[in-house]
Amino acid sequence: NAGVTQTPKFQVLKTGQSMTLQCAQDMNHNSMYWYRQDPGMGLRLIYYSASEGTTDKGEVPNGYNVSRLNKREFSLRLESAAPSQTSVYFCASDTTGYEQYFGPGTRLTVT
Amino acid sequence: RKEVEQDPGPFNVPEGATVAFNCTYSNSASQSFFWYRQDCRKEPKLLMSVYSSGNEDGRFTAQLNRASQYISLLIRDSKLSDSATYLCAVRRGSARQLTFGSGTQLTVLP
Repeated sequence: NAGVTQTPKFQVLKTGQSMTLQCAQDMNHNSMYWYRQDPGMGLRLIYYSASEGTTDKGEVPNGYNVSRLNKREFSLRLESAAPSQTSVYFCASDTTGYEQYFGPGTRLTVT
Repeated sequence: RKEVEQDPGPFNVPEGATVAFNCTYSNSASQSFFWYRQDCRKEPKLLMSVYSSGNEDGRFTAQLNRASQYISLLIRDSKLSDSATYLCAVRRGSARQLTFGSGTQLTVLP
């Protein structure tokens, strides 16, 4: 049972480049989330998907897009990366009302 | 004011000590509460949910004070392996998303 998996683990981008972060869960959870974590800022929600086919903005959605591909997969896309998007990105999933489970994270550096 | 606030620490305590963290939340509609543990350069992992009546799991005790709008985590007989950052998380009413505090860093010293 892999839980929540994320790829890639590390990525370096130049300003203006695009990339997609992948996330998958095998726990049959309905809801999935993307967070970013910066020093001293805690976890901030970027986007979430309450169920397959729906997505909603979180606290810091600007500069990102998401796709809930199916129940298992939820991707995060940076169309034109900026240095301010240098961060650690975590994907999480849960069944409504219960605790969230996190993936191992993607460390992204934008130069 | 942040919706969820924690003392960032760091808390440096000797092995065997008892240490307590508080986490305050501003939205009275908050319904679900959790403590997560995050090791350096790792993902957050659920430590325990916090129930209205308080709950205990071994050396860890979590309590909720709705009147004063805070949750607490007590760690007894601290171990070196307890060194980590402890994050509180709050869910408002029927909302799906959690709001996290910035975390409290704990270092247990030999």
